Amino acid sequence: AQKITQTQPGMFVQEKEAVTLDCTYDTSDPSYGLFWYKQPSSGEMIFLIYQGSYDQQNATEGRYSLNFQKARKSANLVISASQLGDSAMYFCAMREGVGQGGSEKLVFGKGTKLTVNP
Amino acid sequence: DAMVIQNPRYQVTQFGKPVTLSCSQTLNHNVMYWYQQKSSQAPKLLFHYYDKDFNNEADTPDNFQSRRPNTSFCFLDIRSPGLGDAAMYLCATSRNYNEQFFGPGTRLTVL
Repeated sequence: AQKITQTQPGMFVQEKEAVTLDCTYDTSDPSYGLFWYKQPSSGEMIFLIYQGSYDQQNATEGRYSLNFQKARKSANLVISASQLGDSAMYFCAMREGVGQGGSEKLVFGKGTKLTVNP
Repeated sequence: DAMVIQNPRYQVTQFGKPVTLSCSQTLNHNVMYWYQQKSSQAPKLLFHYYDKDFNNEADTPDNFQSRRPNTSFCFLDIRSPGLGDAAMYLCATSRNYNEQFFGPGTRLTVL
């Protein structure tokens, strides 16, 4: 079974509008971390935001926020005020367990290609 | 700025000719990872080093090897590249197993 599911292969948004990229996950481990990465066409993976399973509040980093709904096992990325430079692939990833006792492996979803239109 | 550096950014090799990809980091992170990412797919972990300890993924072919001579450097060796090994190779680092920081990648072409 897939551990990370990103159901939107592609998304389009108008510049300056907000967009939500979906991510659902599957784990039986009570301790896990969720990550979002951006990958422009140049290829580098840029870390955007992190949410720990025990974090009480949704993570925010500038224009990025994570809509974490633990009971639904979803961790959607919200990008506010989209910019042309936000056009890229976006990957959701999960690491089970935290600290040295946890898994070393990041499991990635298949990604969502976001296109921001002027 | 502290960073993860990969050289070269683009590498062309011939079928069966050994090739080495390089990764260095100035973050002083103790964990270094190598991922393979084929076109339109998610990155796939090949192996990682936790300090000097090498950890191979079960499904990583024997054709792929790695070396970590010191904290800052890690190499990916492909002993006999096949056409199916053409991909983007991403190096990442982390402190213990926290968030990973990626380099810009090396795009490998096999002729």
